[in-house]
Amino acid sequence: DARVTQTPRDKVTEMGQEVTMRCQPILGHNTVFWYRQTMMQGLELLAYFRNRAPLDDSGMPKDRFSAEMPDATLATLKIQPSEPRDSAVYFCASGWGRAGVTSTDTQYFGPGTRLTVL
Amino acid sequence: AQTVTQSQPEMSVQEAETVTLSCTYDTSENNYYLFWYKQPPSRQMILVIRQEAYKQQNATENRFSVNFQKAAKSFSLKISDSQLGDTAMYFCAFMTNSGYALNFGKGTSLLVTP
Repeated sequence: DARVTQTPRDKVTEMGQEVTMRCQPILGHNTVFWYRQTMMQGLELLAYFRNRAPLDDSGMPKDRFSAEMPDATLATLKIQPSEPRDSAVYFCASGWGRAGVTSTDTQYFGPGTRLTVL
Repeated sequence: AQTVTQSQPEMSVQEAETVTLSCTYDTSENNYYLFWYKQPPSRQMILVIRQEAYKQQNATENRFSVNFQKAAKSFSLKISDSQLGDTAMYFCAFMTNSGYALNFGKGTSLLVTP
C-alpha cells in the first residue's frame, strides 16, 4: 500500500529553534508539494518540486523557510528560526506529472507534521 | 482568482442515511480537476473522489458520488449509507490543468450519529 510518509508526526519547540520536517513521497512520483494548514488560512501551498527541482516556493517566507529534495525519496522543509506564528500542520503531498504538463492529476497527502512553537 | 466555496460549515447525519455536501467554485479556465478530500480526527488527508471537468459522467466510488454541474460550477458530494467512520472534515478542492496548486474550500465538518 503506497503512501506518503512524514516525520515527525508532532513537534513542539521553542521560539528561535530550528525545525526540520521530512517527507518520503510515493515511489515513482516525480512531483512533491508542501502545504500548511491553519485554522485561519486553511490549506496553503508553500512549495512545489518537479523532478527534485523547486519550481515554486513563493508561498514560503524566504527569510526563514527553506525546502529541498536531496534525492528522489526525501523532501525536507526547514524553518530557522521558528516563530509562534509558524504553528500549524504541515503536509507533504506527492503526485505524478507528465512531461510538459505542470499539473499532476491527483495529489496524495502524508499524515502531516503538527508543529507547535512556544 | 480561483475560489472554492463550501457553504455548510457543519452537518450532521444519522447512520445509514444519505447526506449531500455542497461545493461551488469559480474559474475562467475550461480544463480542470475537482476533488473531495476527507480529514478525520487522525489528521490524514484522504482522497475520496476525483472528477475531470471534461467528463460529463459523474464520478462514483462505492458509497460516494458527485453531482458535477459544470455550467453552474457546482460539485456536490453525496454519501450514501453513512457510517460512523465517515465522521470527518470534508474539503472540496480544485486544480486547473495549467496549474499545480490545489485550491481548497474551508471545509465542512460532518458528524455521523448512531
